[in-house]
Amino acid sequence: GIQVEQSPPDLILQEGANSTLRCNFSDSVNNLQWFHQNPWGQLINLFYIPSGTKQNGRLSATTVATERYSLLYISSSQTTDSGVYFCAVARKTSYDKVIFGPGTSLSVIP
Amino acid sequence: SQTIHQWPATLVQPVGSPLSLECTVEGTSNPNLYWYRQAAGRGLQLLFYSVGIGQISSEVPQNLSASRPQDRQFILSSKKLLLSDSGFYLCAWSLVGTSGRALFYEQYFGPGTRLTVT
Repeated sequence: GIQVEQSPPDLILQEGANSTLRCNFSDSVNNLQWFHQNPWGQLINLFYIPSGTKQNGRLSATTVATERYSLLYISSSQTTDSGVYFCAVARKTSYDKVIFGPGTSLSVIP
Repeated sequence: SQTIHQWPATLVQPVGSPLSLECTVEGTSNPNLYWYRQAAGRGLQLLFYSVGIGQISSEVPQNLSASRPQDRQFILSSKKLLLSDSGFYLCAWSLVGTSGRALFYEQYFGPGTRLTVT
């Protein structure tokens, strides 16, 4: 099956700093999402981005499908950005192989 | 707009007791529905998915079962809970677009149920 890796596993930032989170996947996919899981466990959709680049406020994401990776950029980080960031991928023809990466745990300190 | 509800929010059950977790979606028709489990704060595992009423597919054999009695209702059940069933259970929905054989779908998650089996 598809293997999904995320790096770094843990990250501590000073408020206002920028960061880049990476997601590598081992096979062709056409469904890729980035989620933020807040301290209460809620998974919040950030981006649906099987390819290309998208931006939403301080967050942006880029997926290079041919090279099998995706990047999530967080600029001017805030304490509310703390939590775990997951990427999730699925193969082109399958519902049942939605694979989540292990996540990046981000702590933003004031 | 679409919303997804799960209940209960938290649950403490003894080993060997039954389980029923419910998930409902509002504001959409014929969604795909999914049950995930998350253990130890990381690593979501897909348990079941459903593409329509009465249609359930299991990703991982386990002590759990799922049912979809109505279009926007998805239920996770167990006849006898095990300690290893403890975790955070998340329901999700998606609408699916197709292009040839390729499937495109964006998932949206409910607030989750935190289950502790004692």
